[in-house]
Amino acid sequence: DAKTTQPPSMDCAEGRAANLPCNHSTISGNEYVYWYRQIHSQGPQYIIHGLKNNETNEMASLIITEDRKSSTLILPHATLRDTAVYYCIVRVVNTGNQFYFGTGTSLTVIP
Amino acid sequence: DGGITQSPKYLFRKEGQNVTLSCEQNLNHDAMYWYRQDPGQGLRLIYYSQIVNDFQKGDIAEGYSVSREKKESFPLTVTSAQKNPTAFYLCASSTSSGIKVDTQYFGPGTRLTVL
Repeated sequence: DAKTTQPPSMDCAEGRAANLPCNHSTISGNEYVYWYRQIHSQGPQYIIHGLKNNETNEMASLIITEDRKSSTLILPHATLRDTAVYYCIVRVVNTGNQFYFGTGTSLTVIP
Repeated sequence: DGGITQSPKYLFRKEGQNVTLSCEQNLNHDAMYWYRQDPGQGLRLIYYSQIVNDFQKGDIAEGYSVSREKKESFPLTVTSAQKNPTAFYLCASSTSSGIKVDTQYFGPGTRLTVL
């Protein structure tokens, strides 16, 4: 029972920033937002997570709105290897640490 | 080189046969998970284990069985009772299932095809 809404697909030009939106309007105060990505026929790869503050690591930045009802994953300089399905997940605690993966956003980076 | 290994990457079986998928991790993680992914779909949880000798059913446990005799190993058996076993199977592990901030790390997956 996914608690997030993402566009099914997006394109991005190589070298440009890719901004992937996610809506999670029913998020609870103690739930974190996680982002994973999955390249075709591989296991999902962890990207980043956050609670309410913006976060940045070597892969991406995560911007969470003040009301926490939506977030944006930013890949600052997209490369062809960033072509993948990106999953936005709201962590449901106390349910065996289950991560509910929806259908995600299929990002295609165009040369 | 730490990580999660799944073997084999591709597996073919005849209908009606049980088959066991391997998952091993050397990350010293307490919790392990099995997910199933069908084409164009997200992941669905089959079973998870928070500690050795203990495991719980996920959303789609029917037709599957697991064991957790060792911390580093969590094999999944797809039994003949599973109506539609052809799928991509993913194993994951995490430090603990009892804390809020916890990241799951995934193996490369096993693609099972039942003929």
